Amino acid sequence: GENVEQHPSTLSVQEGDSAVIKCTYSDSASNYFPWYKQELGKGPQLIIDIRSNVGEKKDQRIAVTLNKTAKHFSLHITETQPEDSAVYFCAASIGGSARQLTFGSGTQLTVLP
Amino acid sequence: DAGVIQSPRHEVTEMGQEVTLRCKPISGHNSLFWYRQTMMRGLELLIYFNNNVPIDDSGMPEDRFSAKMPNASFSTLKIQPSEPRDSAVYFCASSGALGNTIYFGEGSWLTVV
Repeated sequence: GENVEQHPSTLSVQEGDSAVIKCTYSDSASNYFPWYKQELGKGPQLIIDIRSNVGEKKDQRIAVTLNKTAKHFSLHITETQPEDSAVYFCAASIGGSARQLTFGSGTQLTVLP
Repeated sequence: DAGVIQSPRHEVTEMGQEVTLRCKPISGHNSLFWYRQTMMRGLELLIYFNNNVPIDDSGMPEDRFSAKMPNASFSTLKIQPSEPRDSAVYFCASSGALGNTIYFGEGSWLTVV
């Protein structure tokens, strides 16, 4: 089955700096890669996703890049704010189906004021 | 839309007792998922339903766990008898037929003492 590895497990940045979280996946058949943000005491919420026919996608301060050859994808957050502090999960889906999502282990992002 | 609704939000029970977690998916969604989240194992898919039919229950830990979806707007996850190692956050999530986005509920925080 699919295996998703996520790094780093914890990340602290100063407010205004950029944050980058990286994930690798094992199955070349994976073609859907969502990112979820989980705030304390809440469920994961989708923040951005990318499909394998696209190399990069941006939504305001958030961007995701995908390198299918190397089987890795990354989340980039620019101009970080304290409210960006949360746990971020990457995921990969074999065959593009949400029913087969495999999640990474999560990254605790702390934005220091 | 109200989103995925789960109950109870918090449950503390004694070992050996039956626990029933409830979920109302987003109206119109035809796929429903039960996930378990722990520090050690992260987010694990327990079971998912499509059009009220269980499709993949390979993630269900053992026979003490069972899940049902009697109609399109309601699902339950039951643990009988409960054990301390079942302590975790249990998330219900749903997705629609046309897209891959999974929407999570706020979770049910279970503590078995």
